[in-house]
Amino acid sequence: AQTVTQSQPEMSVQEAETVTLSCTYDTSESDYYLFWYKQPPSRQMILVIRQEAYKQQNATENRFSVNFQKAAKSFSLKISDSQLGDAAMYFCAYRSARSGGSNYKLTFGKGTLLTVNP
Amino acid sequence: ETGVTQSPTHLIKTRGQQVTLRCSSQSGHNTVSWYQQALGQGPQFIFQYYREEENGRGNFPPRFSGLQFPNYSSELNVNALELDDSALYLCASSLPSGAQETQYFGPGTRLLVL
Repeated sequence: AQTVTQSQPEMSVQEAETVTLSCTYDTSESDYYLFWYKQPPSRQMILVIRQEAYKQQNATENRFSVNFQKAAKSFSLKISDSQLGDAAMYFCAYRSARSGGSNYKLTFGKGTLLTVNP
Repeated sequence: ETGVTQSPTHLIKTRGQQVTLRCSSQSGHNTVSWYQQALGQGPQFIFQYYREEENGRGNFPPRFSGLQFPNYSSELNVNALELDDSALYLCASSLPSGAQETQYFGPGTRLLVL
């Protein structure tokens, strides 16, 4: 079974600065997808960024980028120029690329609570 | 906004009762997944529905059941509620694997069991 570990329960960053959230995962599969989701106090889980394991290039979405290290099974999220609206719980998630049944499920870490200080 | 809606937003039940939660998929999505998120935890996969049939299930007992309708909306039913069922229940819609793997979440239903 796959597991996802987020070792930082809480992080804080000053507005306009950069912060990196860590995520490691354990899997025996070679093809899979990784995601970062953001969950603000409003509760709605919002997709931040996704990475396909077969792609060597790290995904980027505006101020958000990842450092995907497949051999190390590491998938960190970097937020540049942090804004007050970035404050939320961030979840790292894994999904198998296999077809069928429970392979479609997302396996989540426990989350990192990000505080942005003005 | 993801286009996925859930109802109700909050619900209070007592132990032993039954509850039905509802989810409306994002337009064009025919796959719905349900997750349970206990306080301070990441979401846990309950099950997924595709073309009105259960298409995968996590480690949840049979008293957790679901339905998917021809318009792709879905229900989660929980019988014989227990105190530990208190959680945020999230649904997520997506296209089938091979077309679009990303799941888009609704705002959730907060269930409190007393």
